[in-house]
Order: sequence, then structure tokens, then C-alpha cells
Amino acid sequence: DTEVTQTPKHLVMGMTNKKSLKCEQHMGHRAMYWYKQKAKKPPELMFVYSYEKLSINESVPSRFSPECPNSSLLNLHLHALQPEDSALYLCASSQGASSQHTQYFGPGTRLTVL
Amino acid sequence: DQQVKQNSPSLSVQEGRISILNCDYTNSMFDYFLWYKKYPAEGPTFLISISSIKDKNEDGRFTVFLNKSAKHLSLHIVPSQPGDSAVYFCAARPGGSGSYQLTFGKGTKLSVIP
Repeated sequence: DTEVTQTPKHLVMGMTNKKSLKCEQHMGHRAMYWYKQKAKKPPELMFVYSYEKLSINESVPSRFSPECPNSSLLNLHLHALQPEDSALYLCASSQGASSQHTQYFGPGTRLTVL
Repeated sequence: DQQVKQNSPSLSVQEGRISILNCDYTNSMFDYFLWYKKYPAEGPTFLISISSIKDKNEDGRFTVFLNKSAKHLSLHIVPSQPGDSAVYFCAARPGGSGSYQLTFGKGTKLSVIP
């Protein structure tokens, strides 16, 4: 089983709203990731959690706030987003943090900011 | 500076023939390479990977070849099927623990014509 699930599948929000994206995996993976993908572009890394601790924040604006409540769950809290933040948000997980560990992606949340 | 390059944005192949997708990289620290397949509005699906200590890895209809001296890898799909039509991303990671960063190419859109 290599399934990573993400909810919701689609989200439309205004610039003053607060919403959260959720990601879950039950593969026992200890590294989890958030990526952002704009149309016709490759995924761009936002955050990495390793053993439930934030390891990397790739200069992401503070209106994006990640949270890792436990080893199976990863949230991305959204507040005061801009229309240019509209994108496909992808969650991924891997067994560990070494280069030999394959990252498995969820189906993504399609976010539209009005 | 693009460290992973997929110079062909699109490729059309007849059903039953071989599809060859190419990828070049510039960072000599990369030691693990992956291919992902992506349908519109879905997350990338892991296809096949190769470690830098190998020059070939095969999984069913998919074979990845790595030429370290040329910093080039390719994905061969034989025989190609209409269901293979998707965008294919090449990705690479540097070696060592904590090397989270997965660098993606811009993708090649494969169309398999029935």
C-alpha cells in the first residue's frame, strides 16, 4: 500500500478566510512534505517534516503554516492568502529522509483563492 | 539555474512502439533518480527509480537507463499503450541523510496514439 490521502480535493476560499488542508498516510513513513504546483510547472517544495519536526521551510510566506500532529498526519493551515496562491497543493511521504527513499504523492488539493 | 532538464515538452508515439523520454542533470551530487507520471489534476505517481550505482533498472514495460558520465537518464516504455498518455517528470535527489530536496524537471507530455 503506497497511498497518501488528501482532503479536501477542491477548495475555494476568499482572501480573508482561514482554512486547512489535510494529508494522511498509514505506511509508517517518517518524512512528510508539502509541495505547491502551478499549471504546467513542476512541483515546488514548501515544507519537510522529519520525525514530526519541521526540517525545511523553503522561504514560504507565513500565511502558510504547517503542522504535524503525529507521524501519520500533516496539515497546512491557510490564512490571508492571495489569488496567486491558487495552485495544486501536493502532500508526499517517504520512509525516511535519505536520498534512497522514494517520495509517494497524494492526489493533491486544488486551491482557488478569490 | 535548472538542475534537471527535460528538453522535450511533448512526445507522440504510436501504440505498441517504444516511447523514450530523456532527462539531463547538471548537479553531480545527485545520486538517486526517479520518474513520476502525472495525469491532469492528480498528484504524481511514482513509476521507477535508479540509484547512481546502477546504469539500468527494469520494471515490467518500464526501463530507466542512467549514464553518469553524460549526466543523462532516459525512460523507455515498451510497448506504449494509450493509458500511458500523461506528463512524465524526471526527478533527482542528492546523496546523504537529510537530503530531502527532490528536484523536478519541467515534464514531458507523452501522447500514445491508438
